[in-house]
Amino acid sequence: QVELQQSGPGLVKPSQTLSLTCDISGDSVSSNSAAWNWIRQSPSRGLEWLGRTYFRSQWYNDYAASMKSRITIYPDISKNQFSLQLNSVTPEDTAVYFCARGTPSMVGPFDYWGHGTLVTVSS
Amino acid sequence: DIQMTQSPSTLSAFVGDRVTITCRASQSVSGWLAWYQQKPGKPPKLLIYKASSLQSGVPSRFSGSGSGTEFTLTITSLQPDDFATYYCQQYYSYLTFGPGTKVDIK
Repeated sequence: QVELQQSGPGLVKPSQTLSLTCDISGDSVSSNSAAWNWIRQSPSRGLEWLGRTYFRSQWYNDYAASMKSRITIYPDISKNQFSLQLNSVTPEDTAVYFCARGTPSMVGPFDYWGHGTLVTVSS
Repeated sequence: DIQMTQSPSTLSAFVGDRVTITCRASQSVSGWLAWYQQKPGKPPKLLIYKASSLQSGVPSRFSGSGSGTEFTLTITSLQPDDFATYYCQQYYSYLTFGPGTKVDIK
């Protein structure tokens, strides 16, 4: 059974960097048959896919166009986890952030999800 | 970007009712569409993928159909556990979610 456990701060100041981590159990971040995604949800924007990382002989990333200039998603093989960094946050980045497992061949769908982390951007 | 719409936005139904939710894409997504169920404070749960394939462990009262730009999720005989918000998701070109359909008790 795959489980995704999220961690990270729930409050970030404007202009700073949002950082969240997703610990994987029951699968491997280096699996050739999985991709590791971040999605967020807010009342104003709904569910929004942010990006993913996956391994297929080498590491790849895909990012949503709207995020590309300030997002990084990266794996930590030694800890079997992956992380999200979102730079220069504004109050519009306030949302519940989820990590989720997908497949490398297409961006979706997502069969396992983390529990969600509410991140508030406020001074 | 491919835009997704859902109708209705809210649906009131009785336990035992047959319920149908429609999802439309702004351009063809072929059959690359998924449906999710979400309850308050929980992450979305995958119900259907590739338009009509039932995810493992999901009750057979859930079914999906459609291709191209129009898709439906049907719940035959609505159960108390089914009152939730349902989202469609295209993954033909990157990924976008629909705005959701809330199913509540009539």
